[in-house]
Amino acid sequence: GESVGLHLPTLSVQEGDNSIINCAYSNSASDYFIWYKQESGKGPQFIIDIRSNMDKRQGQRVTVLLNKTVKHLSLQIAATQPGDSAVYFCAESKNTGNQFYFGTGTSLTVIP
Amino acid sequence: DAGITQSPRHKVTETGTPVTLRCHQTENHRYMYWYRQDPGHGLRLIHYSYGVKDTDKGEVSDGYSVSRSKTEDFLLTLESATSSQTSVYFCAISESTRGVYEQYFGPGTRLTVT
Repeated sequence: GESVGLHLPTLSVQEGDNSIINCAYSNSASDYFIWYKQESGKGPQFIIDIRSNMDKRQGQRVTVLLNKTVKHLSLQIAATQPGDSAVYFCAESKNTGNQFYFGTGTSLTVIP
Repeated sequence: DAGITQSPRHKVTETGTPVTLRCHQTENHRYMYWYRQDPGHGLRLIHYSYGVKDTDKGEVSDGYSVSRSKTEDFLLTLESATSSQTSVYFCAISESTRGVYEQYFGPGTRLTVT
């Protein structure tokens, strides 16, 4: 099966600082990646995606970087806020994208 | 939650009993998925559907069956529940947008098998 993992299971940052959450994937054929945010008791929420023909994509306060050479994905959150506290998952898929493989998640805690 | 509902939201059942979880969408998306989420495993795909009456297995399909008789409904059935099926179950939907399949998740169903 696929192998998608996260370097750090927990991350604590001060409010206002930038956060970086990392993800490693093993399948070089994966061509589409998504970052999700999951708050306690809720389903995962789509944050941002990136296709393999890109190495960077920006959204509102978030940036995803893709390094296909080392099969690494990162999510950068600018000016982290208390509402950003959640578990963040990366997911990868290949070809048509019908099946996604998820990492185990990183728990982000924002310290006021 | 992108027009996705799941029912029930919580259920406690006994080992050996059948259980059916329902996912309902109002987005008219073609693809629907059932995942389970367990500590240390993240989200794992159980089954998915790519159209009415068209389904396929995911990576952890043993002990589960699915049915999709209408675009908006995707049912997950545990024929004979076991304690190892205690988990949180999420339904997701997707449709091709810009050539990729963005997945959106429902609120989840917490199932406890005693």
